[in-house]
This record gives sequence, structure tokens and C-alpha cells, in this order.
Amino acid sequence: DAEITQSPRHKITETGRQVTLACHQTWNHNNMFWYRQDLGHGLRLIHYSYGVQDTNKGEVSDGYSVSRSNTEDLPLTLESAASSQTSVYFCASSEGGVIGEQFFGPGTRLTVL
Amino acid sequence: AQSVSQHNHHVILSEAASLELGCNYSYGGTVNLFWYVQYPGQHLQLLLKYFSGDPLVKDIKGFEAEFIKSKFSFNLRKPSVQWSDTAEYFCAVNPYGNNRLAFGKGNQVVVIP
Repeated sequence: DAEITQSPRHKITETGRQVTLACHQTWNHNNMFWYRQDLGHGLRLIHYSYGVQDTNKGEVSDGYSVSRSNTEDLPLTLESAASSQTSVYFCASSEGGVIGEQFFGPGTRLTVL
Repeated sequence: AQSVSQHNHHVILSEAASLELGCNYSYGGTVNLFWYVQYPGQHLQLLLKYFSGDPLVKDIKGFEAEFIKSKFSFNLRKPSVQWSDTAEYFCAVNPYGNNRLAFGKGNQVVVIP
């Protein structure tokens, strides 16, 4: 069955370190998204991609970057981790078109000390 | 600014009580509408979706959501909740032709046995 996987599932890091969170989907979807989930804020879009070599900033993109070298993967990099980036991160994908339904991965809980 | 509003972030109910969660959005034009559910410790799963046709959509677990265009609303209901309905519920809006979802802040629903 097609799925989205994220790794690691849990990560503890220190302020200032670079961290990369992996997202891999086997749906063969063109669109991929990264969200962060924080209490009281719901899900906020960090970055998204509509295809290989395409990346776009979402509403909370500062301090994050993504790259899309193939259809299956959209890694999220925290250039210099900050305590404010402690959160749960979800990756999602969709096939595009006009429907918009997204499929979510299991999430990565990141703690920045 | 365009937004998705969910009120009453925390809802506590007894089993067999009725549940209604409000969702209002401020996007003009045609939209696709979704309710996602996140059970404790799990990732987001699609609960209900509306694209077109009958404005009342239902699932096999007894949830239903009604699209009222004039009120820009897509409220979620369940006549009789169960303990297993304890979860966080998110409303999401996809403006037609836009591949991104805008999420509300979520409703944390706790059902007491």
C-alpha cells in the first residue's frame, strides 16, 4: 500500500545545530507539504513543493529550507535549530488537480534544547 | 485576511451526548472542504470531505458535516459520541484550484465514559 513515512519519529537536538527531517512518499504524488503543529495554532504550513525542483515558502518558513530532487522525497532542514522550533512536524502529499485532499505522515516530534 | 475559524477549542462530553463542531471560513469563490481527525498519538486522517453535490456528507461511524454556502460554514456533527471519538478535529479549506490547505486551529474533544 502507498504511504508516507517520516524519520526520525523523535529527535532531540541542541540550539544552533542543523537538523534534517526526512519525508518519503510512495503515492507518486506531485505535491508535498511540511507543517508544524503547535498547541493553540493548529497546523501551519512551512514549505511546499508542486514537483521536482519546485519549492515554495509557506506561512512560517523562516529558519527552514526544503529541496526536491525527486518525486518521493521532501527533506526539511532546520539551518540552525532554535527552541521556538520545538514542535511536531507533519509531512503530507497530494496528487494535485482541483481536489486538494492531502495524505499525512505519522509526524516527527522535535525538541530543541 | 483569509482564515478558517474553529471555536470552543476544548470540548468535554459524556458518552452518548451529541457533538457539534463549528467551522467557518472567509475564502470567497468555490472551495473544497475537509474535516481531519487526529486520534491520540496518531497522524491526521481524513474524516469527511465535500467537493460538490449533496451539501450533507456522512461517514460510516456516524459523523456528518453540512456545507452551508451562505454561511461559509462546514460544521461537523455526531448525534451520539463514543469514548473512542476522543481526538482532535481539524477543519480545512482548499480554495478551488489551489493545491494548499488552510487549517483551523482544531477542536480537542474528550469523551468521558
